[in-house]
Amino acid sequence: NAGVTQTPKFQVLKTGQSMTLQCAQDMNHNSMYWYRQDPGMGLRLIYYSASEGTTDKGEVPNGYNVSRLNKREFSLRLESAAPSQTSVYFCASSLGQGVVNTGELFFGEGSRLTVL
Amino acid sequence: AQSVTQPDIHITVSEGASLELRCNYSYGATPYLFWYVQSPGQGLQLLLKYFSGDTLVQGIKGFEAEFKRSQSSFNLRKPSVHWSDAAEYFCAVVMFSGGYNKLIFGAGTRLAVHP
Repeated sequence: NAGVTQTPKFQVLKTGQSMTLQCAQDMNHNSMYWYRQDPGMGLRLIYYSASEGTTDKGEVPNGYNVSRLNKREFSLRLESAAPSQTSVYFCASSLGQGVVNTGELFFGEGSRLTVL
Repeated sequence: AQSVTQPDIHITVSEGASLELRCNYSYGATPYLFWYVQSPGQGLQLLLKYFSGDTLVQGIKGFEAEFKRSQSSFNLRKPSVHWSDAAEYFCAVVMFSGGYNKLIFGAGTRLAVHP
């Protein structure tokens, strides 16, 4: 019962370094999402992919890029990390396009990123 | 634009006491509303959802929520809290944009439970 798997779980970067957060789901879901969680701000949508081959910006896309590699995998890349990107990142997936068809997002356990 | 407000950042209750977590939304039509729970170090788990119909919805772990259109609210309740309910709770609303649906979260309410 893997569900949504994110790697790495922890990462420390220096300002200006790049890195990619990986996400894979084994539930044959169509839609995938990347959120960031910051204290007092809840979860904010960075990017989403409604289906394989499509991606779109969410609320806070600046400084990030994504790739929907195939139906299972959705990666998030920081090209030049900044301290403001210190956060906990969550990948999620849902069966239909968007959330309404199933009403539920399935979340990974999160990736804690610190940028010094 | 759709938004979600959770007025209480932190709430502390005694074990066995009743609980109500507040959620207010901003949306022109009938909203699709959700409550999620996040235990420490974990991802989010769906507690319950409201799309239409009966305005009182039942969820997992003994939680329920009531949709009140007149008050633009979707408050979460539990009659008797257990120590294991200590977690962070997020209310969310679906945002329709560009033909796709996205989930917009409130800032969360952190619940502490005293023994």
